[in-house]
Amino acid sequence: GAVVSQHPSWVICKSGTSVKIECRSLDFQATTMFWYRQFPKQSLMLMATSNEGSKATYEQGVEKDKFLINHASLTLSTLTVTSAHPEDSSFYICSANDDTDTQYFGPGTRLTVL
Amino acid sequence: GDSVTQMEGPVTLSEEAFLTINCTYTATGYPSLFWYVQYPGEGLQLLLKATKADDKGSNKGFEATYRKETTSFHLEKGSVQVSDSAVYFCALIVNQAGTALIFGKGTTLSVSS
Repeated sequence: GAVVSQHPSWVICKSGTSVKIECRSLDFQATTMFWYRQFPKQSLMLMATSNEGSKATYEQGVEKDKFLINHASLTLSTLTVTSAHPEDSSFYICSANDDTDTQYFGPGTRLTVL
Repeated sequence: GDSVTQMEGPVTLSEEAFLTINCTYTATGYPSLFWYVQYPGEGLQLLLKATKADDKGSNKGFEATYRKETTSFHLEKGSVQVSDSAVYFCALIVNQAGTALIFGKGTTLSVSS
């Protein structure tokens, strides 16, 4: 089946620094990618929808200047958490749609901000 | 708006017990329905899906039937194993290209031997 990778899988950073998370579709082209955030023992909350070559669409309450999303190619989307603070610590998951609109999920990236 | 409601967990069962995890949905359109599973320390994996009323999705002994009249998609397995211990998410997508999944809160299943 289709594979979506994320890098890094785990990152620890100091408060105030920026962190970039990559999401790649390894064996298919993804016109649309999604970024979710998952708090411990809670569901996935959609943060934004990322379309290749255009600006991301952010969900209500998600700060677009804090969570920068770039979808520069059909196989890569990046999420940059700018000026990270401890409350940004979370599990970030991306997913990508193939050409049948089936959604495949990455393994997630655990961000810990000290 | 569209939403998914799952039964609260955790669900604790002995090996070989029967499993049911309830899921109901609210949707403005005609959704496709999914069950995803998240094993400890791993990402989400699609377990099964159904795209129209009365469809039954099945995989690895798990089944769920799309019931439009009761807006439900309950997950069942006749005999659970310890390896089934995971978090199970019910989700829907309204059939529009490029739209995201809407997830329930997840139900933790713990199976003991």
